[in-house]
Amino acid sequence: DAGITQSPRYKITETGRQVTLMCHQTWSHSYMFWYRQDLGHGLRLIYYSAAADITDKGEVPDGYVVSRSKTENFPLTLESATRSQTSVYFCASSDRAGGRKDTQYFGPGTRLTVL
Amino acid sequence: AQSVAQPEDQVNVAEGNPLTVKCTYSVSGNPYLFWYVQYPNRGLQFLLKYITGDNLVKGSYGFEAEFNKSQTSFHLKKPSALVSDSALYFCAVRLNSGGYQKVTFGTGTKLQVIP
Repeated sequence: DAGITQSPRYKITETGRQVTLMCHQTWSHSYMFWYRQDLGHGLRLIYYSAAADITDKGEVPDGYVVSRSKTENFPLTLESATRSQTSVYFCASSDRAGGRKDTQYFGPGTRLTVL
Repeated sequence: AQSVAQPEDQVNVAEGNPLTVKCTYSVSGNPYLFWYVQYPNRGLQFLLKYITGDNLVKGSYGFEAEFNKSQTSFHLKKPSALVSDSALYFCAVRLNSGGYQKVTFGTGTKLQVIP
């Protein structure tokens, strides 16, 4: 069974530091997504990517940067971490947009604490 | 703008009893609808989805959901609850249209199955 992995699973950092969260999927899915999960907000989309070298903003992109040089990887960087970015971050992927293959599969999450 | 409402933060049900987790949605057109489950410290797992056709959708672990267009609802149901069903459940919606369409998640409903 192929998978989607995230690293690290837990991270504590300080305000102002740069942090990169990694996401890797083995399905060769075209689409990849980054969400943050906060109590009372559910999941909110930060960025998504339709293919290698194609990325676009979601609902809450401010303070985050993404890149996708390879289909299987989609790192998320917090350029200068703030306390409001303390959250659980989920990466997801899907094969297609639309149709029966439009189902997102999620990684295990990264719990980030910014002190 | 599309939205999802899960009106109950928590649902308690006795083991062996039927369970229902409610979801209503708003979207400007025909919807795709999804249910996901999240166990503690895990990512979201796909349960089932509605795209078109039969209004009753069957999914993993004995769950099913009924699409009701007139009531704009997509309630999750199971005939007999198990303690292992205790988890956080998310409903999600996207527009049934070509190309990439944003998925909007509800805020989640915690299901507690009491032995």
